Amino acid sequence: EAGVAQSPRYKIIEKRQSVAFWCNPISGHATLYWYQQILGQGPKLLIQFQNNGVVDDSQLPKDRFSAERLKGVDSTLKIQPAKLEDSAVYLCASSRMRIRGGRFDEQFFGPGTRLTVL
Amino acid sequence: DQQVKQNSPSLSVQEGRISILNCDYTNSMFDYFLWYKKYPAEGPTFLISISSIKDKNEDGRFTVFLNKSAKHLSLHIVPSQPGDSAVYFCAASARYGGSQGNLIFGKGTKLSVKP
Repeated sequence: EAGVAQSPRYKIIEKRQSVAFWCNPISGHATLYWYQQILGQGPKLLIQFQNNGVVDDSQLPKDRFSAERLKGVDSTLKIQPAKLEDSAVYLCASSRMRIRGGRFDEQFFGPGTRLTVL
Repeated sequence: DQQVKQNSPSLSVQEGRISILNCDYTNSMFDYFLWYKKYPAEGPTFLISISSIKDKNEDGRFTVFLNKSAKHLSLHIVPSQPGDSAVYFCAASARYGGSQGNLIFGKGTKLSVKP
């Protein structure tokens, strides 16, 4: 099966500019996640969708970050305006569901988008 | 406040020997633990997991041990191979907790296996 697709792979912008990232999850996966991974850190969850509804966005900086998952398939993550501290790799992941059979369902990650804010 | 800690940023091991990667956690609500492996320019890939009702889970060369009283888990790779060279992330979750079972990742340990 095809993996999680993300684009672009790399993006360089200046602070205060806007940027958008796109994610296409594995077909049939109901749950979609966006993570932020700052250099030297582990991935940090920003937002989680179940189909086209938001399950958890408690760690999303909503003054500048927004995300949507129209029709419960593709998703976009936007930053507007960007700050220097937003420089990171943005990872998208998907899973069939969050919990399946009492086990945490495996999340499949895309290759990420490396954002550099100058 | 780090809930999942990987205190060794890097580890170097000779091919054929055992690699032991360690992880500590602070949140007693965590009941499911995972290890992910990440190569450069790729996303993390799932390696192995363990539920809090077990103290050991084995999959081929990979074994994860869980010590709930010490809030500690470790990943053993035996024998280590050069292809195992990657960054390994420990992650934890409270499956039925208020955080909706979100994964909390450690900072990672970079494993280098030398031929």
